[in-house]
Amino acid sequence: NAGVTQTPKFRILKIGQSMTLQCTQDMNHNYMYWYRQDPGMGLKLIYYSVGAGITDKGEVPNGYNVSRSTTEDFPLRLELAAPSQTSVYFCASSYIAGGRDIQYFGAGTRLSVL
Amino acid sequence: GESVGLHLPTLSVQEGDNSIINCAYSNSASDYFIWYKQESGKGPQFIIDIRSNMDKRQGQRVTVLLNKTVKHLSLQIAATQPGDSAVYFCAERSGGSYIPTFGRGTSLIVHP
Repeated sequence: NAGVTQTPKFRILKIGQSMTLQCTQDMNHNYMYWYRQDPGMGLKLIYYSVGAGITDKGEVPNGYNVSRSTTEDFPLRLELAAPSQTSVYFCASSYIAGGRDIQYFGAGTRLSVL
Repeated sequence: GESVGLHLPTLSVQEGDNSIINCAYSNSASDYFIWYKQESGKGPQFIIDIRSNMDKRQGQRVTVLLNKTVKHLSLQIAATQPGDSAVYFCAERSGGSYIPTFGRGTSLIVHP
């Protein structure tokens, strides 16, 4: 049981390039999330999904896209990378049961856009 | 808008002391609260949670206290150890929402 796996761990992009951050979970969780974390700050929600085929915008969705074709995978796409997208990206998954909602996070992808 | 925030951005303690990390929230509809620990270079990890029908919950060396009257949440760590050094986030969720709101975080530094 690997939990939430993110790849790559590090990446450097040039302005205008595109890339996909991969996220896979093996816990059969319905809910998945993408966050970004800037230095010394909390987590800002980019996109989330409540199940396969369903996605919705979070607090800071501009410049990103997601898809959820399977329960396990929730890739985050960056189109036309900008320096403002330099950040650490975390994927998380959870299930909500009995009023509890515990999120399990991946180790993060550290992205620099230069 | 309504938000979750923390009183102290950095807390320094001596090994063996008890630590108290505070969190204020403003959404009166919040009914579920969670504490996460984030070690350097890692993703956040669940510590303990509490629902709004409780005012105290205990785990292993950790206790969460909820005061709904003043909308305040605290995390108490007993006999703090160097391995407890991390950033601690509180998060809240209101009923019917899929989305938790995270606070900015408090950095706990434990001196040996």
